[in-house]
Amino acid sequence: AQSVTQLGSHVSVSEGALVLLRCNYSSSVPPYLFWYVQYPNQGLQLLLKYTSAATLVKGINGFEAEFKKSETSFHLTKPSAHMSDAAEYFCAVSVQGRDDKIIFGKGTRLHILP
Amino acid sequence: GAGVSQSPSNKVTEKGKDVELRCDPISGHTALYWYRQSLGQGLEFLIYFQGNSAPDKSGLPSDRFSAERTGGSVSTLTIQRTQQEDSAVYLCASSLSLNEQFFGPGTRLTVL
Repeated sequence: AQSVTQLGSHVSVSEGALVLLRCNYSSSVPPYLFWYVQYPNQGLQLLLKYTSAATLVKGINGFEAEFKKSETSFHLTKPSAHMSDAAEYFCAVSVQGRDDKIIFGKGTRLHILP
Repeated sequence: GAGVSQSPSNKVTEKGKDVELRCDPISGHTALYWYRQSLGQGLEFLIYFQGNSAPDKSGLPSDRFSAERTGGSVSTLTIQRTQQEDSAVYLCASSLSLNEQFFGPGTRLTVL
């Protein structure tokens, strides 16, 4: 069965610094991959998704993620952190044809230091 | 159009009581999910409905938890004999198969 692992339950970066949130997946067939964001006291919303087209995926708010099959990774990056990026980020994986269920990682809380 | 809605938004109950949480998915979405989000615990998968297939109940933590989806639309999550450890935010999401999941605002359950 597919699974997803997010390294680091908490990540702190300085405002203006690079944001890197790590996600590794496990799947025996090509997966679909997602990043969701949950701002404080709000629901989850989709940041970006990979569905077997371009390996570099651009999302909202300047975030992007690169699908690397050889590393089974889908890390989320942003060149310059902003205070408004403070939130919890969830990586998720699904596999077409395998009941289509979407599995979430445990989340990484991003803290932005002034 | 309308998004996923959940009711009630907040529910406070006494230990041992039963509660019902409701989810109205986006019209036409075939897949519906229930998750539980506890402080510091991330998203815990509970149950998944896909069309007319038998639901995937593998995430339900105990037999006190059950869910149904009537007519392929509205879903109700029922927790019987609630315990304090059931206190959490219960999230519902719907999607068109592998496409983006759309989340509701959640129901915050507090068991006293």
